[in-house]
Amino acid sequence: QQQVKQSPQSLIVQKGGISIINCAYENTAFDYFPWYQQFPGKGPALLIAIRPDVSEKKEGRFTISFNKSAKQFSLHIMDSQPGDSATYFCAATGAGGTSYGKLTFGQGTILTVHP
Amino acid sequence: KAGVTQTPRYLIKTRGQQVTLSCSPISGHRSVSWYQQTPGQGLQFLFEYFSETQRNKGNFPGRFSGRQFSNSRSEMNVSTLELGDSALYLCASSLHGDSFSGNTIYFGEGSWLTVV
Repeated sequence: QQQVKQSPQSLIVQKGGISIINCAYENTAFDYFPWYQQFPGKGPALLIAIRPDVSEKKEGRFTISFNKSAKQFSLHIMDSQPGDSATYFCAATGAGGTSYGKLTFGQGTILTVHP
Repeated sequence: KAGVTQTPRYLIKTRGQQVTLSCSPISGHRSVSWYQQTPGQGLQFLFEYFSETQRNKGNFPGRFSGRQFSNSRSEMNVSTLELGDSALYLCASSLHGDSFSGNTIYFGEGSWLTVV
């Protein structure tokens, strides 16, 4: 029940294309869903996050779509650029108790954007 | 504002030894968490400290331990190292460590541990 399932494992898109990464969760106690970007040799960096009370959040070229009833959320990267090539992780957490400081991560998606 | 700082960045240890990793959180952040990242298991939560108290713990053996000091700096220790402990160990900090306030969890660049 604590898992977050992420797909695809790897994704190749052309410059200017749309990258879409999907995640699904089971734990209904999760109430905060961030996406992290990680470059080789670096720690994960927060890209964008969403709460279940909204269905979509956009920041620049990055958009999260959230479907509470299906317990699914996705990251859309518009106008993908070679500099977006990185590993992307979805994550989830809840409030208090066994969620203190704990993010449950998906397995990651390696995104490659070809010029 | 300085980010999360971890030391050392790289280290090589021999099986059976112990290792201590250090983390300085972002100024003002009182919650510090530790994660292990491996190609096979991904990012896994080790434990979280807040105001020098461990509030949460992941599913790791007792060889993995940590502590937090009054200035919020944290250390984690791994005793009796095994080959399978080779990983990137990430420290993360946040204001409260609780999603209720929606506060962001920031990660350091990690400590690469190789056990030979």
